Amino acid sequence: AQKITQTQPGMFVQEKEAVTLDCTYDTSDPSYGLFWYKQPSSGEMIFLIYQGSYDQQNATEGRYSLNFQKARKSANLVISASQLGDSAMYFCAMRVLNTGGFKTIFGAGTRLFVKA
Amino acid sequence: DGGITQSPKYLFRKEGQNVTLSCEQNLNHDAMYWYRQDPGQGLRLIYYSQIVNDFQKGDIAEGYSVSREKKESFPLTVTSAQKNPTAFYLCAVSVGSGNTIYFGEGSWLTVV
Repeated sequence: AQKITQTQPGMFVQEKEAVTLDCTYDTSDPSYGLFWYKQPSSGEMIFLIYQGSYDQQNATEGRYSLNFQKARKSANLVISASQLGDSAMYFCAMRVLNTGGFKTIFGAGTRLFVKA
Repeated sequence: DGGITQSPKYLFRKEGQNVTLSCEQNLNHDAMYWYRQDPGQGLRLIYYSQIVNDFQKGDIAEGYSVSREKKESFPLTVTSAQKNPTAFYLCAVSVGSGNTIYFGEGSWLTVV
C-alpha cells in the first residue's frame, strides 16, 4: 500500500535554530517523487521542495533541505535558521504512478511553532 | 493572471442539497486533483484526472462526483450522499510526472 507517515503532530523550535520534520513513506513503485508543502493559517499550500526517487543528491532550496534516505524510506525536511514566519503546518507528500495517471498523497502534517 | 482559480471561496449548503465547486486552470497542465482537508488534518484525495474525459477515484470518493470535459476545468460536485461535507476543499494541478504541484486557494464548504 502507498502511504505517507508524519509522526510528529506538533514541534517547537527556538528562533534561529534548525529543526527537522520527519516523514516516512511506503511504496513498491521504483519511481516516485517526494514533496514538502507549507500551509500557513490562511490555508494556501506553498511548495517548498521536491526530491525525485532517482536523484543522487539531497534537494536544497534556500533554508530548506530534504534529507533523503532511500533505504530507510524517509524524506525528512530540515529548516535551518528558523524564523517566526515559519510557524505553520507542514505536509509531506508522495507522487506515484497509479491506475489512470499520477496520484499524489499527503501525510497528516506537522504543526511547527517557532518561539521568539 | 495565471494559475488556478477556485470558486466560490466560501459556500453554505443546506442538508440534502448538491453543490458544485469550480476549479479552472490556465497552466495547460494535464493532471488535476481534488483534495479534502478537515480542521487540523492532512489532505485526502477525492478524485484525480490525467486527461480529458477520464478521471479516477481517490481515497474518499464516496458522495462526490467530477467531470473533465475540458483540460482547463475539473468541477467537483458534493452530493447529498456525502454524510459530512463540511470541510476545506483544495484543487491542484501538475504536469503528470512533474516536480511541482500547484494549488488553488481553496473553497470552504459549510453545511447548515
